[in-house]
Amino acid sequence: QKEVEQDPGPLSVPEGAIVSLNCTYSNSAFQYFMWYRQYSRKGPELLMYTYSSGNKEDGRFTAQVDKSSKYISLFIRDSQPSDSATYLCAMQNAGNMLTFGGGTRLMVKP
Amino acid sequence: DTGVSQDPRHKITKRGQNVTFRCDPISEHNRLYWYRQTLGQGPEFLTYFQNEAQLEKSRLLSDRFSAERPKGSFSTLEIQRTEQGDSAMYLCASTGTANTEAFFGQGTRLTVV
Repeated sequence: QKEVEQDPGPLSVPEGAIVSLNCTYSNSAFQYFMWYRQYSRKGPELLMYTYSSGNKEDGRFTAQVDKSSKYISLFIRDSQPSDSATYLCAMQNAGNMLTFGGGTRLMVKP
Repeated sequence: DTGVSQDPRHKITKRGQNVTFRCDPISEHNRLYWYRQTLGQGPEFLTYFQNEAQLEKSRLLSDRFSAERPKGSFSTLEIQRTEQGDSAMYLCASTGTANTEAFFGQGTRLTVV
């Protein structure tokens, strides 16, 4: 079993929809939680970074962390075709390397 | 551009050849990481440096792989006697003193034929 599980998709939604992306994890030592967006053949781009449980909002993006359930989510409001990409969740012990999920491919159709 | 820079962006090599990749981190960042990503998978950790010291290596980093970070600035990743299974995207990331938010380069895509 992988430390971080993520549904690979693809997830197809119409433009303007609310998108929900999720990851579960097994290592309770993870303290920092990140979401990256990756376009095809490009490097991952940091979208959201959160520490511990709770919500964080940045524009159309909201990240949620529930450490008691070992579950994190990324919500995208008013989705746009330009949001079409692979979304990677990543987690980190203090000061150590990132452990990634496998990524969810999102397609937003006009 | 003050982000993480990787060179080359693409490399095609014949099996058995050696290849070397370069990463230039964000200038004030003291930690530098190498990851490998295969198609349809998330990046997997290979190794990381704090300044010039290599502090951790993954079991994925076989004896054919070597990484250096002389003077704590840029880093190189060398793969000797490449195999077809080495075909992947090699990603470099750097973090600052707080060692939290990691910023990635655009990666080097290696194809071994």
